[in-house]
Amino acid sequence: EIVLTQSPDFQSVTPKEKVTITCRASQSIGSSLHWYQQKPDQSPKLLIKYASQSISGVPSRFSGSGSGTDFTLTINSLEAEDAATYYCHHSSSLPHTFGQGTKLEIK
Amino acid sequence: EVQLVESGGGLVQPGGSLRLSCAASGFTFSSYSMNWVRQAPGKGLEWVSYINSRSSIIDYADSVKGRFTISRDNAKNSLYLQMNSLRAEDTAVYYCARDQELLWWGQGTLVTVSS
Repeated sequence: EIVLTQSPDFQSVTPKEKVTITCRASQSIGSSLHWYQQKPDQSPKLLIKYASQSISGVPSRFSGSGSGTDFTLTINSLEAEDAATYYCHHSSSLPHTFGQGTKLEIK
Repeated sequence: EVQLVESGGGLVQPGGSLRLSCAASGFTFSSYSMNWVRQAPGKGLEWVSYINSRSSIIDYADSVKGRFTISRDNAKNSLYLQMNSLRAEDTAVYYCARDQELLWWGQGTLVTVSS
């Protein structure tokens, strides 16, 4: 099983700030890494697929990069509505797994 | 419009069984792989199970292997999760989600395992 480790677990940030969340895989997963946003009492929402591919309807301030074992989700010019928990997930091989999540608080 | 609607959750005693369903609409169900993902109260997301479009590739998380069975009926546009020998730690909201990249999610159904 491939383990995904996110950092940080929690981050408190101010609006308009740039945020970077990282996800490290225990072995190479190519580009089969996806990012989700989950707000309280809502289903998760796909933000970025296959490491860097954008999703229709997702604001352009969300971007992803990386390959192999190290991946990054970047949120440029943070907005208040971005307060949520963010998860990475791999589909490189079965079983699939999720990272533990990164909770983003807006000051 | 793509829709995934889970049902079948509820309160069950430890050791009991439950069958979850996911009704799909708005897309050609038989062309897509599907997943079950769960979230225990206050906890993170946990991938539970995967089934490909033809049911020829199936896998489970170690935490449910041997107790849960995923299946699908492409004629009925439905995905299922048969859960046996349920434990307290299986208490969670269960989501069905489409594709390898989990583009579409249902609203979830709550399973509570308690005596």
